[in-house]
Amino acid sequence: DAGVTQSPTHLIKTRGQQVTLRCSPISGHKSVSWYQQVLGQGPQFIFQYYEKEERGRGNFPDRFSARQFPNYSSELNVNALLLGDSALYLCASSQGQGTSYEQYFGPGTRLTVT
Amino acid sequence: ILNVEQSPQSLHVQEGDSTNFTCSFPSSNFYALHWYRWETAKSPEALFVMTLNGDEKKKGRISATLNTKEGYSYLYIKGSQPEDSATYLCAFPAPGNNDMRFGAGTRLTVKP
Repeated sequence: DAGVTQSPTHLIKTRGQQVTLRCSPISGHKSVSWYQQVLGQGPQFIFQYYEKEERGRGNFPDRFSARQFPNYSSELNVNALLLGDSALYLCASSQGQGTSYEQYFGPGTRLTVT
Repeated sequence: ILNVEQSPQSLHVQEGDSTNFTCSFPSSNFYALHWYRWETAKSPEALFVMTLNGDEKKKGRISATLNTKEGYSYLYIKGSQPEDSATYLCAFPAPGNNDMRFGAGTRLTVKP
């Protein structure tokens, strides 16, 4: 079975641009969560989507938005990019919404903002 | 503020040594405690999800314990091998928001 996939692998953008990151969960998983990870820190929660609805939001500005599609894949959008948005963006899928479900992570998208 | 603390920050051991590290979390409103292993250039891999006070879980040479009353979990690795070299992360869900709070991790290096 395929694991969680993310695209693209790497991305370079300039300040002020917009970016869309994509995630496909494991087949049968209905929940997708997004995380931002910067060097030296643990992943920081951005969003959780379950059954196409937002079920959780972390402490990120409104420039960050996401959505989940009927096939449970998800997109993370970041507008008006700042240098500080440079990070590894991880997507994780799980079978259910609750936090006792095991999460399966994708390989991440490395975003560099110049 | 919900903080998850991990110690030590990094650890260097010799092959064959047993080792352990700590995850501390707020003891109120406990839901679950997750442990992950993250090898360089790979995805974080779930090790354990622990939900009950006194829980002990084991996967091969790796085991974990949980004390929800005092707010800590220990991860143990018996007979460390070079392939155990990775960053070990714990995560604690904040109540009401599905917000998984991660610690900064313990970076383990096992020397052959």
